[in-house]
Amino acid sequence: SQQGEEDPQALSIQEGENATMNCSYKTSINNLQWYRQNSGRGLVHLILIRSNEREKHSGRLRVTLDTSKKSSSLLITASRAADTASYFCATGGTSYDKVIFGPGTSLSVIP
Amino acid sequence: DGGITQSPKYLFRKEGQNVTLSCEQNLNHDAMYWYRQDPGQGLRLIYYSQIVNDFQKGDIAEGYSVSREKKESFPLTVTSAQKNPTAFYLCASSIWGQNSYEQYFGPGTRLTVT
Repeated sequence: SQQGEEDPQALSIQEGENATMNCSYKTSINNLQWYRQNSGRGLVHLILIRSNEREKHSGRLRVTLDTSKKSSSLLITASRAADTASYFCATGGTSYDKVIFGPGTSLSVIP
Repeated sequence: DGGITQSPKYLFRKEGQNVTLSCEQNLNHDAMYWYRQDPGQGLRLIYYSQIVNDFQKGDIAEGYSVSREKKESFPLTVTSAQKNPTAFYLCASSIWGQNSYEQYFGPGTRLTVT
């Protein structure tokens, strides 16, 4: 029962460029979360945006949420080689529900 | 030093054997989760537990079993009934409530069954 779907599946950019990843989902949500996973490691939580928020920032990360289009985007500015990882969006349900993860976007930042 | 630990990091088993993966957390979280990740893919939920002595099946529970006897511990057993057990297994924990909360993940256990 997959909810979020990231786009693109893979992205390759030069160091210093911005990286944008998108997430679309199907049903109403309470919040949407973004996670990062370095190869062979566990996931690390990056940012959570609630359904009544439109934009949120954390360092070089900017997340937007458009509930009318059921979509979210994650922007990483001034990318670094260390940003190379897979990025997952996860949607949180409206009541006492588990979080559902999308298939992820694989980001490669070339030095 | 709060966090969530999984052991071992790598595990090798022969086909037909049951194997138990360990997951411990000291974050005082009520909820714990087990996910399976296959190469290049997202996470699929195996089981989750919201409270001690209670757990729920996720999307791919067949061939797996869990227990939650203590708040801190949520071991996963991969049984011989699991048709394709080789995968990367991730454990996570979170606060449980009306709104979904961020999950804290362990480092994972890579299971290889031959």
